[in-house]
Amino acid sequence: AQTIHQWPVAEIKAVGSPLSLGCTIKGKSSPNLYWYWQATGGTLQQLFYSITVGQVESVVQLNLSASRPKDDQFILSTEKLLLSHSGFYLCAWRGQGEEQYFGPGTRLTVL
Amino acid sequence: GEQVEQRPPHLSVREGDSAVIICTYTDPNSYYFFWYKQEPGAGLQLLMKVFSSTEINEGQGFTVLLNKKDKQLSLNLTAAHPGDSAVYFCAVSRTSGGNYKPTFGKGTSLVVHP
Repeated sequence: AQTIHQWPVAEIKAVGSPLSLGCTIKGKSSPNLYWYWQATGGTLQQLFYSITVGQVESVVQLNLSASRPKDDQFILSTEKLLLSHSGFYLCAWRGQGEEQYFGPGTRLTVL
Repeated sequence: GEQVEQRPPHLSVREGDSAVIICTYTDPNSYYFFWYKQEPGAGLQLLMKVFSSTEINEGQGFTVLLNKKDKQLSLNLTAAHPGDSAVYFCAVSRTSGGNYKPTFGKGTSLVVHP
């Protein structure tokens, strides 16, 4: 069975500080991976997707970047956080039927 | 691009009542339809996937209807119980493959009172 893990569970960071969020998928070979951002109580906005190691496509520009250093790992980062980066970050992988399976999420608060 | 309107944004029902959430989409070529459930502080959990070749799908305690003519997707929770309290999202897509970007509704916050 596939499992998806995100870390950290929550972060409180200062404006202007760097950030790195991680996502790991186990039990799925060469998954298509996605990063989403969700404002409190809001809908989901897709940020990045990756089909293979080393390849990442940006969907929206939010002063964030993403990398796929390993087949089972997807990293979201920025060198300088903004207040607008606060929210809930979700990683997901795509199943055979085009459905997406989401991780537990990381709550980010920027002060 | 695709637009999805989800209603109602908030829904409050008594235990044992039914709860209906409706999504209306705009792209007639949409093919993949999904319902997700999100509990507080958690990720989204897939409830049901529907393809345009099917119209009615039944899950545990709920029914999903796809009306392609009216471009509507609905989720009907029959005999709701407090454990159903969560935010529900529909998602719609016409594309497949890696460049896969479903359009999500804005969510419906459901509260089921004992």
